[in-house]
Amino acid sequence: QITLKESGPTLVKPTQTLTLTCSFSGFSLSTSGMGLGWIRQPPGKALEWLALIYWNDDKHYSPSLKSRLTITKDASKNQVVLTMTDMDSKDTATYYCAHVVPAALNAEYFQYWGQGTLVTVSS
Amino acid sequence: SYELTQPPSVSVSPGQTASITCSADKLGDKYACWYQQKPGQSPMLVIYQDNKRPSGIPERFSGSNSGNTATLTISGTQALDEADFYCQTWDGYTAVFGGGTKLTVL
Repeated sequence: QITLKESGPTLVKPTQTLTLTCSFSGFSLSTSGMGLGWIRQPPGKALEWLALIYWNDDKHYSPSLKSRLTITKDASKNQVVLTMTDMDSKDTATYYCAHVVPAALNAEYFQYWGQGTLVTVSS
Repeated sequence: SYELTQPPSVSVSPGQTASITCSADKLGDKYACWYQQKPGQSPMLVIYQDNKRPSGIPERFSGSNSGNTATLTISGTQALDEADFYCQTWDGYTAVFGGGTKLTVL
């Protein structure tokens, strides 16, 4: 059974750096093909993909946010960390982590999602 | 950048068939998947690789993808199917989500 859970601050100030942790079980990021992604959703708005990391430490970022994002993994702890710099009110959203089911390139999908964590950016 | 376009809303009567479209240039050349999200819940995968259903997803959910349009079809729609639906594909290593469609069952 695959489970994921996001953790981190619920409130950050503008210009601060956000650090979120995804703790997961039921799979290993050391296993070939495995990946984990971050997706966010502003209140009442659509899903937006942020970043993705694979078992081999291959990393990919949303082109529009690439300069502000860093994704890292600690496979031994079953954790993935996302940092986002220079937070702004527009970054207020629920942040989800999701397991990427291994498949051929561009055939992958997010089957298992965490419960999400709401991050509010306000002074 | 690659963009997926969905209608903001679709309405359907109980028992009828609902179709939700997702459009983009040559989308049929890529794989599409669909997520259902009910209020206060995380998204749930209902269709992957165009037309495959994960275990536990009712048979009334089906998908297709051809040309510039992927379509999620819900046959015999039930009140509990009312939710937001998002399509998703890949543009290289970039995941792309559609803007979402609110399905109303009335």
